[in-house]
Amino acid sequence: IAGITQAPTSQILAAGRRMTLRCTQDMRHNAMYWYRQDLGLGLRLIHYSNTAGTTGKGEVPDGYSVSRANTDDFPLTLASAVPSQTSVYFCASSVGTSGGDTQYFGPGTRLTVL
Amino acid sequence: QKEVEQDPGPLSVPEGAIVSLNCTYSNSAFQYFMWYRQYSRKGPELLMYTYSSGNKEDGRFTAQVDKSSKYISLFIRDSQPSDSATYLCAISGNTPLVFGKGTRLSVIA
Repeated sequence: IAGITQAPTSQILAAGRRMTLRCTQDMRHNAMYWYRQDLGLGLRLIHYSNTAGTTGKGEVPDGYSVSRANTDDFPLTLASAVPSQTSVYFCASSVGTSGGDTQYFGPGTRLTVL
Repeated sequence: QKEVEQDPGPLSVPEGAIVSLNCTYSNSAFQYFMWYRQYSRKGPELLMYTYSSGNKEDGRFTAQVDKSSKYISLFIRDSQPSDSATYLCAISGNTPLVFGKGTRLSVIA
């Protein structure tokens, strides 16, 4: 069982380019999340999905979009990348949406926008 | 005021020391309290989970929750170099988890 996979592992991107970060889970979890992690700011929630077909905005959604066409996949798209989106991006999933449900994280994608 | 406050450290201790990591929070409705551990260049992993108040012990790790003070703690006894990581508190009510900024811990052999 792989858990959560993310691709790419790392990427250098020119400003203004479009980029999609991929996330796939094989645990049949209902809920999925995207976070960014920056030094001094910690983990911040970008978008989440409580179940396939629904999405919601987190703390820092501007400049990002998500879709949840099925249970397993939750891609994050940067429509026009800017240098402030340089960060480490983590995808996570949980069985449900109860506050007590453990979130399982992927290995992360290191994105640099120049 | 941020919902969850955590001292980012860094914290450096000798092997065998007792480590105390702490977070404060502002929302009295929070009832789920977690500690995640994150090794360098890895994703966070759940270390300890506590519901409501009280203590929970797992091996060398003890999690404490004091709801009256809105204060949670993680204690590590007999710390080992393998405990070197960033520790993030995570707190929730019926909403998505709110994470602290994380405390970077180094245990020196």
